[in-house]
Amino acid sequence: SQQGEEDPQALSIQEGENATMNCSYKTSINNLQWYRQNSGRGLVHLILIRSNEREKHSGRLRVTLDTSKKSSSLLITASRAADTASYFCASDNDMRFGAGTRLTVKP
Amino acid sequence: DSGVTQTPKHLITATGQRVTLRCSPRSGDLSVYWYQQSLDQGLQFLIQYYNGEERAKGNILERFSAQQFPDLHSELNLSSLELGDSALYFCASSSVGIYNEQFFGPGTRLTVL
Repeated sequence: SQQGEEDPQALSIQEGENATMNCSYKTSINNLQWYRQNSGRGLVHLILIRSNEREKHSGRLRVTLDTSKKSSSLLITASRAADTASYFCASDNDMRFGAGTRLTVKP
Repeated sequence: DSGVTQTPKHLITATGQRVTLRCSPRSGDLSVYWYQQSLDQGLQFLIQYYNGEERAKGNILERFSAQQFPDLHSELNLSSLELGDSALYFCASSSVGIYNEQFFGPGTRLTVL
């Protein structure tokens, strides 16, 4: 079974809006990572949050982690058409990915 | 460019055949991961090697096998191919350490006719 489960499966927003996607995992972790995948391409690492961190920022990305709920969220602020991609989370202990959230940002 | 290379880029073959996919990790990375991504199954972890040894196994079929060689490149062998094996196959590598960010290759697109 997959460790990371992203929600929603698909998200469509207008350029300039914020996009929030969620991830749930099953077992304890040392860190959780978010990746992005453009259609047909390999995944690209976006951000890593450690289990003792609650929030982390990187540019327009904000990641939160709630280890009590075994969940994380990725917020992309002021979205751009170029943010259109699939987003995946994975925990460090087995690096199993969920089905991803397909984000479409309309210009 | 992630530094991970995969060959070939595309592969078209027939059912029942056998193919070998090749991956060269980033310089210095000891871990190699293989993933299968199909439209209906998402990204499936197949297997991980670390410095030549199998480290973790995921949803890898018995018809599939992999190995990592002393120079750290890895091969994924797929045999008795079926239509449902058509997918993108990704290789990723990571360095030693608990914060094992993975660097993904461009993938091999396998089409089984």
